[in-house]
Amino acid sequence: DADVTQTPRNRITKTGKRIMLECSQTKGHDRMYWYRQDPGLGLRLIYYSFDVKDINKGEISDGYSVSRQAQAKFSLSLESAIPNQTALYFCATSDSAWQPQHFGDGTRLSIL
Amino acid sequence: ELKVEQNPLFLSMQEGKNYTIYCNYSTTSDRLYWYRQDPGKSLESLFVLLSNGAVKQEGRLMASLDTKARLSTLHITAAVHDLSATYFCAGLVFGNEKLTFGTGTRLTIIP
Repeated sequence: DADVTQTPRNRITKTGKRIMLECSQTKGHDRMYWYRQDPGLGLRLIYYSFDVKDINKGEISDGYSVSRQAQAKFSLSLESAIPNQTALYFCATSDSAWQPQHFGDGTRLSIL
Repeated sequence: ELKVEQNPLFLSMQEGKNYTIYCNYSTTSDRLYWYRQDPGKSLESLFVLLSNGAVKQEGRLMASLDTKARLSTLHITAAVHDLSATYFCAGLVFGNEKLTFGTGTRLTIIP
């Protein structure tokens, strides 16, 4: 089983719908992150969390919200999806700020 | 604010050749990371470079860091097809504690 599991792996939905992407991890890491990847732009940080009570905005948080339900679970929500949120979304975890992050397999989200 | 630039964005090279991917960053970075991403897959950590002059090698890949020049390089020796992937560098500034990624270099090894 993967250490960092994202669900769903693929999702197609319509403009205006509410979408939740889920991430769970078995690595026991406190730090969790959500990124989006767009062609030619690399990965950009949406939100990050250092523990259950600590949530921080990243570079591109507008239009997104998150919930850290437990140490092992970190969900990303799009309250009202729009087409330019079509992207590949990654969840990642790390043990500390300077250790490499461990990434899930990604969720490919298409908004029509 | 840390900015990270990679070049080239795309690279096609023949098997057996050597080449280098460059990663420039704008301000002091306390850690420099290299990741590999296969098509449709997740990112895999390759190297963490901690200090000026650091060099790390794994197989045909060697990464180095020059903090004075704000430059990291990923050198590929005698490329083989299995190295075809997208390679990302990312920087970290202590206190900020957020990775800033470059745009990636898509490497294609041609037989």
